[in-house]
Amino acid sequence: AQKITQTQPGMFVQEKEAVTLDCTYDTSDPSYGLFWYKQPSSGEMIFLIYQGSYDQQNATEGRYSLNFQKARKSANLVISASQLGDSAMYFCAMNSNTGFQKLVFGTGTRLLVSP
Amino acid sequence: GAGVSQTPSNKVTEKGKYVELRCDPISGHTALYWYRQSLGQGPEFLIYFQGTGAADDSGLPNDRFFAVRPEGSVSTLKIQRTERGDSAVYLCASSPFRREVDTGELFFGEGSRLTVL
Repeated sequence: AQKITQTQPGMFVQEKEAVTLDCTYDTSDPSYGLFWYKQPSSGEMIFLIYQGSYDQQNATEGRYSLNFQKARKSANLVISASQLGDSAMYFCAMNSNTGFQKLVFGTGTRLLVSP
Repeated sequence: GAGVSQTPSNKVTEKGKYVELRCDPISGHTALYWYRQSLGQGPEFLIYFQGTGAADDSGLPNDRFFAVRPEGSVSTLKIQRTERGDSAVYLCASSPFRREVDTGELFFGEGSRLTVL
């Protein structure tokens, strides 16, 4: 079975600073995908970034980067130059490469960005 | 709008009643998912449709839960004899197509908040 662990219930960061949200995972699948989603107060989940287990390079999408350390089974999200609009819940998730998105999510980290 | 639409946004019902939650995915998206998010938790997978058929319903908690997608677009999640433990936000998501190695994002709706009294 797959498992995602997010140990930070809440994180604070000042505007324009960088912040790292931690995520560790456990799986016996040889091939898998790792995801980060943002959930603002409106409730919808917004896709941020994806990392495949065989990708050699860390994924980046604009101000988001995924620090993938396969041996340590970690997939931390780095947000650079934080903005007030980044305040939200952030969920790490994973799937097996089965061809569809049967995601296992962590419990999330609430990020608050202060002016 | 162009996004995933879920109705109702809020539903309050009494224990033992029947409930239907509707999801209207993004036009052209063949894959549709239902997830359930309890308070303080991440979403949990319930069921996945590819077209009209349920390709994986392993996340449905018991036989009180059922979902349909008769024409391959709109889906309805049906809950019979509701219990207080069914209270949660039910999220629907869609994606454009199924890949062998799925790197695609899911497009989520804002969810239907179900409260069972």
